[in-house]
Amino acid sequence: QAGLTQPPSVSKGLRQTATLTCTGNSNNVGDQGAAWLQQHQGHPPKHLSYRNNNRPSGISDRFSASRSGNTASLTITGLQPEDEADYYCSAWDSSLSAWVFGGGTKLTVL
Amino acid sequence: QVQLQQWGAGLLKPSETLSLTCAVYGGSFSGYYWTWIRQPPGKGLEWIGEVNHSGSTNYNPSLKSRVTISVDTSKNQFSLKLSSVTATDTAVYYCGGGGYWGQGTLVTVSS
Repeated sequence: QAGLTQPPSVSKGLRQTATLTCTGNSNNVGDQGAAWLQQHQGHPPKHLSYRNNNRPSGISDRFSASRSGNTASLTITGLQPEDEADYYCSAWDSSLSAWVFGGGTKLTVL
Repeated sequence: QVQLQQWGAGLLKPSETLSLTCAVYGGSFSGYYWTWIRQPPGKGLEWIGEVNHSGSTNYNPSLKSRVTISVDTSKNQFSLKLSSVTATDTAVYYCGGGGYWGQGTLVTVSS
């Protein structure tokens, strides 16, 4: 199953801004966008944004999602220690009629 | 506030069938596709499949031959069955929908 491409790791300093990327193709990210999920070690994932880039209620506005062509991005401003987690993107692939995930990016807050 | 509670057997032998159920509390059961994903130890997330309230399903092509996801609207529950499991099916399995997720169930396949 074709997946989405995410960098394995990103490191940024406290209170800095991190931008995580997710690259797919015209059948998935380029078609309907990508959702973003955050997962802390040992916990279930949590949605940070939906495919339309809207945030679920309760999600900080420090998290913002966007898309350009076949690449989706998640920008996290004012990095906090609790932002250290794994981040996954997910998109519906119209050619597979299936959801596909990225491999995940481990964000380290220095 | 939607809450999902999942349960099922956590230890299976090779060739057995994995069976998990997820109950949905609160919110609109008919409003979403209800999803199963899994996460092998130390690895990323993998989508297994989804079902809506009318029973319409979509499955991961790589698992389609072994997966059945069903729904019981009278109980606001949906279930996952994965047949002929092997050690590679060892993972934490999560149910979810509408941006909400269950607590996860570790399923270990070992002889």
